[in-house]
This record gives sequence, C-alpha cells and structure tokens, in this order.
Amino acid sequence: LAKTTQPISMDSYEGQEVNITCSHNNIATNDYITWYQQFPSQGPRFIIQGYKTKVTNEVASLFIPADRKSSTLSLPRVSLSDTAVYYCLVGDEVNRDDKIIFGKGTRLHILP
Amino acid sequence: NAGVTQTPKFQVLKTGQSMTLQCAQDMNHNSMYWYRQDPGMGLRLIYYSASEGTTDKGEVPNGYNVSRLNKREFSLRLESAAPSQTSVYFCASSESGGWDNEQFFGPGTRLTVL
Repeated sequence: LAKTTQPISMDSYEGQEVNITCSHNNIATNDYITWYQQFPSQGPRFIIQGYKTKVTNEVASLFIPADRKSSTLSLPRVSLSDTAVYYCLVGDEVNRDDKIIFGKGTRLHILP
Repeated sequence: NAGVTQTPKFQVLKTGQSMTLQCAQDMNHNSMYWYRQDPGMGLRLIYYSASEGTTDKGEVPNGYNVSRLNKREFSLRLESAAPSQTSVYFCASSESGGWDNEQFFGPGTRLTVL
C-alpha cells in the first residue's frame, strides 16, 4: 500500500477555496486515490475518488497530476461546517495483503 | 435503510472483563471492517472480513477476536479488556474488498477500560 503524507493541520476562512495536498510517491499502477472526511464524534465519510487528471462531484474536486505522485483535494467556498479531518488513502483491489492505513489525516479548521 | 449500525454506543469496562461489540449493515455488502481510533489519531484497522466466512488480521489485531456471523453482521470481541484498549471503535462495510471501494462507517462505540 502506498504511503501517504499530508499536512497535519490547516486553517482557512469561510468562503475561501481550500486545497489539501497529499503526497504518495510510491503509488502503484493499479492504485486509486480516495479522500474521506471525518467530523468530530462521527465515522469517516467518503468524499471523492480518482485515478488520474481531475474528478469533480457536488462536494469537492480532486486534481491528480500526470505522474500521480501527489493529489490535491479542493473544497470550494468552505463554510464552518467543513471543519473536519480529511484523510487521503491510496490503494487498489488487487493487493489484498496490504493493510489500509488512514493515517492521522489533515485537521482543517475553518474560521469565521 | 439504516446503513451501518453499532451497539453499544458507549461502554465502560474494568480491566479483565470481556465484551462483544456488535455491527450490522443492511446494504448487502460483502466486506466488513473493524477500526479503532485513539484520541488525535487516525484509524487503525483491527480485523476485516473480505466476504462471508473469511476474516483477516489488520494492523492491530492483538487482544481482539472477530466473528463474521453472516453477511450482515460482524462482531468484535475483547476477551480480557486492558486500559490500552480504551478507544473509539468503528465498524465499516464496502461492496467488495478492494481498498478502492467506498467504505461506509457506523457511528462508533466509545469504550473506556478502567
């Protein structure tokens, strides 16, 4: 399983766009990149997933450069309710022997 | 459609006591997982079940046992609780076992071992 590195914490203000970058230098050919969001006292929730280039849904966008060694989660016009921990995961369906690792994630704090 | 449910929501145990955490999903998912989350930490995988009838160890299996009772239910047992097992326990399920499959999480069980 590819190891990921993300910032421990970030602060931003309401209405701003927030970009959280995740490094995964050892990403394998079959690996997908998945982001989860976790609010306090709740279980994580899937946000978005991608393999290459750009993926967009109603919540966020995911930018993946051609070499796929990093990815950026973009949250447009954040609000106070976007304060949460964001986890970047990299994995595939093939290599079941690896154990998925959520890591500590990025603690995003939105200020008024 | 309740998704993933966990019982109990809270539990306090004394060292050496045993208990079973229950998890059920109504999404007809094949794979189920148990994680623990310590304060300020990420989630660590304890055990998972890729499909009914199979279970495998995760990152931190010591001190735990699991049972995949049927396709819907996946229980986690602490045979002799220790203070180091004080944590929030999350159960999750996914359609299949690939790590690229979306996992759906339950609300968690907060366990304190005195």
